[in-house]
Amino acid sequence: DTGVSQDPRHKITKRGQNVTFRCDPISEHNRLYWYRQTLGQGPEFLTYFQNEAQLEKSRLLSDRFSAERPKGSFSTLEIQRTEQGDSAMYLCASSLVGQGTYGYTFGSGTRLTVV
Amino acid sequence: GEDVEQSLFLSVREGDSSVINCTYTDSSSTYLYWYKQEPGAGLQLLTYIFSNMDMKQDQRLTVLLNKKDKHLSLRIADTQTGDSAIYFCAEESDNNDMRFGAGTRLTVKP
Repeated sequence: DTGVSQDPRHKITKRGQNVTFRCDPISEHNRLYWYRQTLGQGPEFLTYFQNEAQLEKSRLLSDRFSAERPKGSFSTLEIQRTEQGDSAMYLCASSLVGQGTYGYTFGSGTRLTVV
Repeated sequence: GEDVEQSLFLSVREGDSSVINCTYTDSSSTYLYWYKQEPGAGLQLLTYIFSNMDMKQDQRLTVLLNKKDKHLSLRIADTQTGDSAIYFCAEESDNNDMRFGAGTRLTVKP
């Protein structure tokens, strides 16, 4: 396993367009998280999945944002009708809860620029 | 990350020790973490400490936890230029949610 993979690494889109990002977690990890990071800030929680179930969503996750993890493996994060304020680094992380391992493993992120 | 606070910048000379400080607010935090982020990269887990421990040492890294004051620190001994990065403190609650500070940018001067 090569860790958490995110695709694409960079995305430039025009305001109003829809974008979709993909995350492939570490295969044996049961939790998958999405975070957003803006310049000079720490990661802010967006949502997480335990297997295929989406268990928590932040109030930051407006109705333009939707995340899925259909088979409990990879996940997608879609942003509809993008706005300039959506420009950020979107980080995915995974973890194995309840098995004596600690912390999250992060991907390298997808940097979104909305012009 | 408003519940976890860190100073934003630290500058040290190569070979000196670096101490990065963090305060957190959730007394029920079970684990506390230090992550490192290099430019354009995701966060890399450096070390963690369980909330019932006072200290943890891992090679050049020493983590000190003062649970009474909710204060966490990371000491990097013999700091090298490759240690230049942003360091994030994070607290994990008992439901495994993780909250991050805004990060401390460490600059190591040769």
